[in-house]
Amino acid sequence: KNQVEQSPQSLIILEGKNCTLQCNYTVSPFSNLRWYKQDTGRGPVSLTIMTFSENTKSNGRYTATLDADTKQSSLHITASQLSDSASYICVVIKVSYSGAGSYQLTFGKGTKLSVIP
Amino acid sequence: DTAVSQTPKYLVTQMGNDKSIKCEQNLGHDTMYWYKQDSKKFLKIMFSYNNKELIINETVPNRFSPKSPDKAHLNLHINSLELGDSAVYFCASSPPGQGVDNEQFFGPGTRLTVL
Repeated sequence: KNQVEQSPQSLIILEGKNCTLQCNYTVSPFSNLRWYKQDTGRGPVSLTIMTFSENTKSNGRYTATLDADTKQSSLHITASQLSDSASYICVVIKVSYSGAGSYQLTFGKGTKLSVIP
Repeated sequence: DTAVSQTPKYLVTQMGNDKSIKCEQNLGHDTMYWYKQDSKKFLKIMFSYNNKELIINETVPNRFSPKSPDKAHLNLHINSLELGDSAVYFCASSPPGQGVDNEQFFGPGTRLTVL
């Protein structure tokens, strides 16, 4: 069972509007949580990386929030643009022990966002 | 250009063949990865190498063998290709430090189609 669940699966919004994507996870304990943007036919590109002690992190029009108590994260996109059309993937990193040794990456299945004129 | 590059971009082959996908990064990173993205767009890590040493080896068939001749290269060799191997394979790298705790930079992907 996937331990990172994203919603909605897909979303269509008008250009200029805001939207919020959700990520719920059960991975514990975790090292950090990431949001990636993946354009069609391209590799994922990192948007934000948050450790468990961070509540919010912004990257331009993208703002990610993290509630480690409820194990929820969201990605808010402000004033959407056509170029925001992509899949947005939530990734939770679990560290088994300190160092560059054992860790697990669990990917959500992504939210496909379509921004239309 | 500084980047993570993969070759080939597309690979179409018959079932049972052996093929390799090459990955190179000129970012000076210590850690490199291979991911598989299936038709449902679900990304899954396959391998991770840190300074030419294997540190993650998820449950993948042993027909898949990563090879790291140096820390700038991580190639993926696949033996006896099967229909289910059809997917997009992404290479990634991350800076020196705490390995996967650092941001990962992805290559453009290799779309493998097994007929």
